[in-house]
Amino acid sequence: EPEVTQTPSHQVTQMGQEVILRCVPISNHLYFYWYRQILGQKVEFLVSFYNNEISEKSEIFDDQFSVERPDGSNFTLKIRSTKLEDSAMYFCAKGQENSGANVLTFGAGSRLTVL
Amino acid sequence: ELKVEQNPLFLSMQEGKNYTIYCNYSTTSDRLYWYRQDPGKSLESLFVLLSNGAVKQEGRLMASLDTKARLSTLHITAAVHDLSATYFCAVLHPHNNAGNMLTFGGGTRLMVKP
Repeated sequence: EPEVTQTPSHQVTQMGQEVILRCVPISNHLYFYWYRQILGQKVEFLVSFYNNEISEKSEIFDDQFSVERPDGSNFTLKIRSTKLEDSAMYFCAKGQENSGANVLTFGAGSRLTVL
Repeated sequence: ELKVEQNPLFLSMQEGKNYTIYCNYSTTSDRLYWYRQDPGKSLESLFVLLSNGAVKQEGRLMASLDTKARLSTLHITAAVHDLSATYFCAVLHPHNNAGNMLTFGGGTRLMVKP
């Protein structure tokens, strides 16, 4: 059973549309992260979220992106007006202790295709 | 700005052979990770290296860290087909308060041929 469940697994949308990607951790965690991977490229940090607030964010995470935890369990990434270059795999992750270090456990990802 | 470079980007090797993947990074960091990714799948944690001279081994994979040289290696011993995947190193961003802001290398796509 995955520790981090993401939905949808794949979403196709038209440019300019809003998209919401969801992440559900099984255990109760305070720290969550969103990363993205454009097809065939490196994995990039978007944002970290701690105790219902953004903790850190990258330059990629501009005003069209937002994160929230609307009901205390689901953790969402919203893209307000999608662009072609937003097409990527979006990974939610949580941190957990392993051998004295905080290790990221990634979800299976949500593939976003913007047409 | 932290930069993480991996080489080679692509590696095709025969089963039974040994090889090393290199990961260089540009600024001091407290932590380095290695992840494996199968095609179309998520990222699986392999190793976390915390200190200079750290060495960790799991099966045919061994990772090491030289913080003075800002270099980590992932050594593959007697490769088998099941090791075919893309391997990423990732470095903890300096002055990172959240604890998991990672900068990833470009990945090394490993193909092990029978």
